[in-house]
Amino acid sequence: EVQLLESGGGLVQPGGSLRLSCAASGFTFSSYAMSWVRQAPGKGLEWVSAISGGGGGTNYADSVKGRFTISRDNSKNTLYLQMNSLRAEDTAVYYCAKGCVGRCYRLDDWGQGTLVTVSS
Amino acid sequence: EIVLTQSPATLSLSPGERATLSCRASQSVSSYLAWHQQKPGQAPRLLIYDASNRATGIPARFSGSGSGTDFTLTISSLEPEDFAVYYCQQRSNWPITFGQGTRLEIE
Repeated sequence: EVQLLESGGGLVQPGGSLRLSCAASGFTFSSYAMSWVRQAPGKGLEWVSAISGGGGGTNYADSVKGRFTISRDNSKNTLYLQMNSLRAEDTAVYYCAKGCVGRCYRLDDWGQGTLVTVSS
Repeated sequence: EIVLTQSPATLSLSPGERATLSCRASQSVSSYLAWHQQKPGQAPRLLIYDASNRATGIPARFSGSGSGTDFTLTISSLEPEDFAVYYCQQRSNWPITFGQGTRLEIE
């Protein structure tokens, strides 16, 4: 059974930093592309970033490019999102999502999410 | 960026009725279109991938169709647990984008 468990969310001041983690189990983590998707309170879904299985390919939404960095540690079966220069509009629940094998960026399975609140 | 427009924004139906949800893309996404269901307080769940393929464990009452720019999600006979928000999503081009959602509510 695929399990994705996000952590690292919390309250942070504007301009601050936070690192989210997503611990994966139930599948061969290194074989699958992974993504981060967020949802602001009461709003729809917004894709944030994606990374290939080996970690060599990354993509970002324009809204986070230059501020967020996606990475993965395949030895620890963990996906990360380093978030710097945080803004109020980054407040959202952040979900990690598992893709399909190779550079296949479907969103097949979702974690339960972690809430990030950017406020002074 | 590919814009996905879902219609209607809200759909009010009764259990047992047929639901038809639409998603239109601003340019062709081939068949790289998925549908996700989200219930209040829960994470989204993949229903349909690549326009017409049901994800693992998804009941047969859910079906998807379309290609290019026009797609449809059909729920043949609504069950009480189907009332939720539905999002279409494309992965044809970066960035991955979602539609704004269709809220399916009980009439």
